[in-house]
Amino acid sequence: KQEVTQIPAALSVPEGENLVLNCSFTDSAIYNLQWFRQDPGKGLTSLLLIQSSQREQTSGRLNASLDKSSGRSTLYIAASQPGDSATYLCAAALFYSSASKIIFGSGTRLSIRP
Amino acid sequence: DTEVTQTPKHLVMGMTNKKSLKCEQHMGHRAMYWYKQKAKKPPELMFVYSYEKLSINESVPSRFSPECPNSSLLNLHLHALQPEDSALYLCASSRGASTEAFFGQGTRLTVV
Repeated sequence: KQEVTQIPAALSVPEGENLVLNCSFTDSAIYNLQWFRQDPGKGLTSLLLIQSSQREQTSGRLNASLDKSSGRSTLYIAASQPGDSATYLCAAALFYSSASKIIFGSGTRLSIRP
Repeated sequence: DTEVTQTPKHLVMGMTNKKSLKCEQHMGHRAMYWYKQKAKKPPELMFVYSYEKLSINESVPSRFSPECPNSSLLNLHLHALQPEDSALYLCASSRGASTEAFFGQGTRLTVV
């Protein structure tokens, strides 16, 4: 059974710092690894998608990497801002017949202090 | 347009009521998903539809009944729910099994 783990569970840093969020998964047979942001009580916003054949993706101040062999992904946030405060979730899409199961990690609650 | 629209945004229902949640997308996506999310927990997969056919049912109680009437619409019919079913219900869609998933803003359900 696929398990997705995120470390740390919570992180508080001052504004302007660079930071790394970690995600690990137990089953390397994934279609892709997707990072989401969730604000309290809201839906999920897709940040980055890395296909299983790719090593990294970048969008603005965000960079996500994927190492399938070790079952790890990282989300790097450069020059953090208070508006980055949210819960960050990684999700692994698993092969399953004609569809995929998207399994989420438990999330990292990020707080950026002004 | 990368929008998944869920209605209603909030729903309060009694344990004897029957209600439905609705999800709509016009991106031509052929995979649609229902997730349940409790407070401070990650979303948990409930159902997956692929090409309007139910592909995955994660052993969800029969008081939750999904329906996919066409390629743009996904419903979740609710009846005889329990207070512990109170949660944020999220709908998502993707073009295929290996492509980016887009989520709606969710329906906040309270069972009284």
